[in-house]
Amino acid sequence: DTVLTQSPALAVSPGERVSISCRASEGVNSYMHWYQQKPGQQPKLLIYKASNLASGVPARFSGSGSGTDFTLTIDPVEADDTATYFCQQSWNDRTFGGGTKLELK
Amino acid sequence: EVQLVESGGSLVQPGGSLKLSCVASGFTFSNYWMDWVRQTPGKSLEWIGEINTDGSKTNYAPSIKDRFTISRDNAKSTLYLQMSNVKSDDTAIYYCTRMGSLLYYYDGYYHNVPNWFAYWGQGTLVTVSS
Repeated sequence: DTVLTQSPALAVSPGERVSISCRASEGVNSYMHWYQQKPGQQPKLLIYKASNLASGVPARFSGSGSGTDFTLTIDPVEADDTATYFCQQSWNDRTFGGGTKLELK
Repeated sequence: EVQLVESGGSLVQPGGSLKLSCVASGFTFSNYWMDWVRQTPGKSLEWIGEINTDGSKTNYAPSIKDRFTISRDNAKSTLYLQMSNVKSDDTAIYYCTRMGSLLYYYDGYYHNVPNWFAYWGQGTLVTVSS
């Protein structure tokens, strides 16, 4: 299995820029995707294939990376962005990272 | 508007069986690969498997080990997950998802290859306990 590693949690203030990282145990080319999950809701697609913004997602969200290291950036962070963010790769079957819980100060 | 509505989740005893359904609307169901994903109480997400547009091909996560079967009825716009010999580790919220695909050219023609989970249902809870 391709293991995806994310930091468990981050805390930032509204208006700041935040970068959420995802590291793959082996190269996944650019086949990395990002999701946002708010409490009590299903996940929602934010970014597909490393850097492509999903339909309806604000331009404050962006993605970058290739190979083993990927980043989801939110700039500027808003109060509504409080959520858990998951990365997912599709190069070798499909696996998810453990999620990064974003809290606002 | 794309809608995916799962049902069928319940309390089931270890070793038992259960069939989940997912009714799709707001898009042409028969045009899309569909997948099942589950989320455990600890909140991690796990891909279960997928089915192609006409139901002729399925792929499963190695951890499922032939206990689950995915099928679809395009006439009813419905996706299914048949679960058998369930274990306590199968306790989770089960999500139906519509896949996002990339177009590849090989073997002489174009193929839509699913890659990301573009739309998710609200999920249905399966609890395995005696």
